[in-house]
Amino acid sequence: EDKVVQSPLSLVVHEGDTVTLNCSYEVTNFRSLLWYKQEKKAPTFLFMLTSSGIEKKSGRLSSILDKKELSSILNITATQTGDSAIYLCAFTASGTYKYIFGTGTRLKVLA
Amino acid sequence: DSGVTQTPKHLITATGQRVTLRCSPRSGDLSVYWYQQSLDQGLQFLIQYYNGEERAKGNILERFSAQQFPDLHSELNLSSLELGDSALYFCASSVFDANTGELFFGEGSRLTVL
Repeated sequence: EDKVVQSPLSLVVHEGDTVTLNCSYEVTNFRSLLWYKQEKKAPTFLFMLTSSGIEKKSGRLSSILDKKELSSILNITATQTGDSAIYLCAFTASGTYKYIFGTGTRLKVLA
Repeated sequence: DSGVTQTPKHLITATGQRVTLRCSPRSGDLSVYWYQQSLDQGLQFLIQYYNGEERAKGNILERFSAQQFPDLHSELNLSSLELGDSALYFCASSVFDANTGELFFGEGSRLTVL
């Protein structure tokens, strides 16, 4: 069965630290992997990675897809308290319509 | 603001009751997805519609049903409610039929079953 596992489940760091969040997946006919940030309510889109776009960067956030290892990492440098959130990853597969989400990594950044 | 509107934002009801959650997708989006998020759980996929047709089903209970109307808004009906149905229910929309783009999420409807 298709599944996605995120690690760590939770993380507490201090402002200025760099964090790496992991997402591994098991799926046939992989199409894309997406990262979302969920603060209080609605998840907001961060990145989408595919075979043709395995690395994305936006400001202090960056993400890499490793298709060989069936995994992805999300890096956040120089963390700020505003980065405190649940970070969710999801994958999609060809031939289905679903977005399958992991349980998320809860990040807390202390001032 | 993602452009996806969900109502109600909060709902408190009793076991055995029936509720309807409503979602209006972003303008131009034809796909609507419903997800359930319980405490410390990820987003559990329930069901997807595209332009009024059901496209995919996840772990949706038989007590739950959904539909997408001609004006593209969608409703999720939850009946014979149990305590375990208490959760945050998200609607998300996409312009695409298949899962080829990003999803835009509404603010969610928090259901509490007492």
